[in-house]
Amino acid sequence: KQEVTQIPAALSVPEGENLVLNCSFTDSAIYNLQWFRQDPGKGLTSLLLIQSSQREQTSGRLNASLDKSSGRSTLYIAASQPGDSATYLCAVRGNYGQNFVFGPGTRLSVLP
Amino acid sequence: EAGVAQSPRYKIIEKRQSVAFWCNPISGHATLYWYQQILGQGPKLLIQFQNNGVVDDSQLPKDRFSAERLKGVDSTLKIQPAKLEDSAVYLCASSLVMGQPNTEAFFGQGTRLTVV
Repeated sequence: KQEVTQIPAALSVPEGENLVLNCSFTDSAIYNLQWFRQDPGKGLTSLLLIQSSQREQTSGRLNASLDKSSGRSTLYIAASQPGDSATYLCAVRGNYGQNFVFGPGTRLSVLP
Repeated sequence: EAGVAQSPRYKIIEKRQSVAFWCNPISGHATLYWYQQILGQGPKLLIQFQNNGVVDDSQLPKDRFSAERLKGVDSTLKIQPAKLEDSAVYLCASSLVMGQPNTEAFFGQGTRLTVV
């Protein structure tokens, strides 16, 4: 059974810092991995999707990497801003047709 | 492109009452998911549909939860009777097709259920 963990559970940084959020999964036979952002009281917004054959994806100040063999993904946020404050969730999809298994999230606060 | 629509946004009910949630996925999306998110946790799958067929309902508490997706478009999730531990956000998501590794899932705003 796939299990997903995220470290740290919470993070507070001053504005402008570069930061890394970590996601680990137990079963490396994944189909893809998706990073989401969740603002308080809101749904999930997709940030990046990495296919199992890819090593990384970039969107603006965000860069996500994937190392399937070690069961890890990282989300790198450059030059953090107060507007980046939210909970960041990673989710992995197993073999064909399987649903997403989510981690518990990292709650990020960027202080002005 | 319109996103995934859910209603209601909020619902407060007493335990043992029944409640229903509605989801309209993105047009053309064959796969629809219902997730339950308890405060402080990641979402957990309740049920997954492909068109109007159930793909995975292994984590759906079938003694009290039911879901349907008539005509392969809209879906409803029902809880009857509700328990205090059902207090959570219920998220609906959709994706274009299964089986494509570049297929993203898109989520609605969720319905926050409080059972008192």
